[in-house]
Amino acid sequence: GESVGLHLPTLSVQEGDNSIINCAYSNSASDYFIWYKQESGKGPQFIIDIRSNMDKRQGQRVTVLLNKTVKHLSLQIAATQPGDSAVYFCADKLIFGTGTRLQVFP
Amino acid sequence: NAGVTQTPKFQVLKTGQSMTLQCAQDMNHEYMSWYRQDPGMGLRLIHYSVGAGITDQGEVPNGYNVSRSTTEDFPLRLLSAAPSQTSVYFCASSYSRFNPYEQYFGPGTRLTVT
Repeated sequence: GESVGLHLPTLSVQEGDNSIINCAYSNSASDYFIWYKQESGKGPQFIIDIRSNMDKRQGQRVTVLLNKTVKHLSLQIAATQPGDSAVYFCADKLIFGTGTRLQVFP
Repeated sequence: NAGVTQTPKFQVLKTGQSMTLQCAQDMNHEYMSWYRQDPGMGLRLIHYSVGAGITDQGEVPNGYNVSRSTTEDFPLRLLSAAPSQTSVYFCASSYSRFNPYEQYFGPGTRLTVT
């Protein structure tokens, strides 16, 4: 069946550095992906989405890159802040990956 | 708007007990869904609804029932709780049944079945 997976369960970065969270998917026909942020004790929160007709999409301090050739997408967070500490999920429409925990240290 | 609300926040059940997890949204969203979140498993879709009176099964529907009598409410029923249903449950909604993927999630219900 279809699957979505993140490469690292945990990512630790220093405050101010850029963070890159990677995600792979299995279905070559997948055409819509979403990144969610989940803070401790809360539900996931929509961050940004991208459709397969795009390679890159930018939001506020976040950029998502999509490489359809290798079925890989990434979420880049610029100038990572303590408030960015959370678990980040990529989703192929309604199918969620397992999440990467981003830890930001001073 | 309150967004998506869920009650209760925490619940402990004994095996075989039944209960209903409540979910409501005040955004007039067509699409609503229930997920369970287990460690290392991501979120898995239990049931979903594209509008009042219409429900369908997701990836892991066994042991759960849903109904959608109004646009606002989408309760999840556990008829006979089992320890395997210990999990965190999230309700979500999105504006359109035709593009349900940008979902707004509730704060979750942490359920323990002993």
